[in-house]
Amino acid sequence: DAGVIQSPRHEVTEMGQEVTLRCKPISGHDYLFWYRQTMMRGLELLIYFNNNVPIDDSGMPEDRFSAKMPNASFSTLKIQPSEPRDSAVYFCASSLAGGYYEQYFGPGTRLTVT
Amino acid sequence: KQEVTQIPAALSVPEGENLVLNCSFTDSAIYNLQWFRQDPGKGLTSLLLIQSSQREQTSGRLNASLDKSSGRSTLYIAASQPGDSATYLCALKRNQGGKLIFGQGTELSVKP
Repeated sequence: DAGVIQSPRHEVTEMGQEVTLRCKPISGHDYLFWYRQTMMRGLELLIYFNNNVPIDDSGMPEDRFSAKMPNASFSTLKIQPSEPRDSAVYFCASSLAGGYYEQYFGPGTRLTVT
Repeated sequence: KQEVTQIPAALSVPEGENLVLNCSFTDSAIYNLQWFRQDPGKGLTSLLLIQSSQREQTSGRLNASLDKSSGRSTLYIAASQPGDSATYLCALKRNQGGKLIFGQGTELSVKP
């Protein structure tokens, strides 16, 4: 398996623009997670899905952030409008059976908002 | 509120040394704990997963232990190598739900 795939790997955009990050989980995994990593706050969970349904979105910072999972092999995280404080590395992860098994992380998308 | 702490934030050792990385947590009611490695500019690689009913897990030169009563987990690395240089993160789950709570990591440097 190719592991968790994320695109793009790097994104540079101007404040106010819409940004869409993409994730393909490991085939067969029924949980998908979006995390954000910054120097100040470390790694934080934004939202996670089980069988394509959002379960916990309490980590989504504000209404400018939205996430979807239209099918078992694809998810998007959208920021609209983007702000400089959104600059971070965004990771997608997937796992089997949520709690019991390991989470496998993608390589991340480094977002810079100028 | 569950908090996860990793001390020290950075560690430098000579090649060949055995070392221990520490992870402490404030609430002993955990579901499992996972250790990760992160190389600069890269994603996280899972190293070991310990369920709450287990005391330790081993993989090669790595051994992770879990003591819920003291709120502590350790990652032991035997015979360290320069290739072990990376940031090591511990993360735990409070329940069967998927949310991982991360420590801030220990940046390890192994000098040849």
